[in-house]
Amino acid sequence: DTEVTQTPKHLVMGMTNKKSLKCEQHMGHRAMYWYKQKAKKPPELMFVYSYEKLSINESVPSRFSPECPNSSLLNLHLHALQPEDSALYLCASSQDLAAYRGQFFGPGTRLTVL
Amino acid sequence: QQQVKQSPQSLIVQKGGISIINCAYENTAFDYFPWYQQFPGKGPALLIAIRPDVSEKKEGRFTISFNKSAKQFSLHIMDSQPGDSATYFCAARRATGANNLFFGTGTRLTVIP
Repeated sequence: DTEVTQTPKHLVMGMTNKKSLKCEQHMGHRAMYWYKQKAKKPPELMFVYSYEKLSINESVPSRFSPECPNSSLLNLHLHALQPEDSALYLCASSQDLAAYRGQFFGPGTRLTVL
Repeated sequence: QQQVKQSPQSLIVQKGGISIINCAYENTAFDYFPWYQQFPGKGPALLIAIRPDVSEKKEGRFTISFNKSAKQFSLHIMDSQPGDSATYFCAARRATGANNLFFGTGTRLTVIP
């Protein structure tokens, strides 16, 4: 299995809702990432997990809360989002954080905040 | 500031032609340079990557050329096909740190039949 899966594919939520995005990989990778991508822009790094521990938080607002329950799963909990948070949310994984490690992306979750 | 600069923003190439996308960087601590291909509504897919101790890497119709002294690298797509029409991102990562990638701004490639 050489892919990263993400659910749901699409999500529409109101500003008062709580929802979660899920990501899963079965490649034995020990580093996992959340990115946010706006239309016609490159992905922007949000969080990095290494061996299930948060390694990087790129000054992301607290309304985004990541969680890594085990080495195969990564969640992103969403609460009180703003319309400007609407974007494609991408999960990625790599073997680890060492040099020359390619990151493999999932298909993304298209999030719309009303 | 933009750590990796990419050009052109968009590119139109005839089928069978060569597509060339260029990237430049300033941070000499970068040690790994991948290229990603992204189709609309999909996640980026790792296409090909190079390390700075190599000047060229070829995989099928895709070639990366790397000029360490000029701090530039480019993607060449030979015999471009309509199925290559996508957005291409170059990226770079530091030798130390958390493997976070610094992406270029992207090039939208259109290959005309």
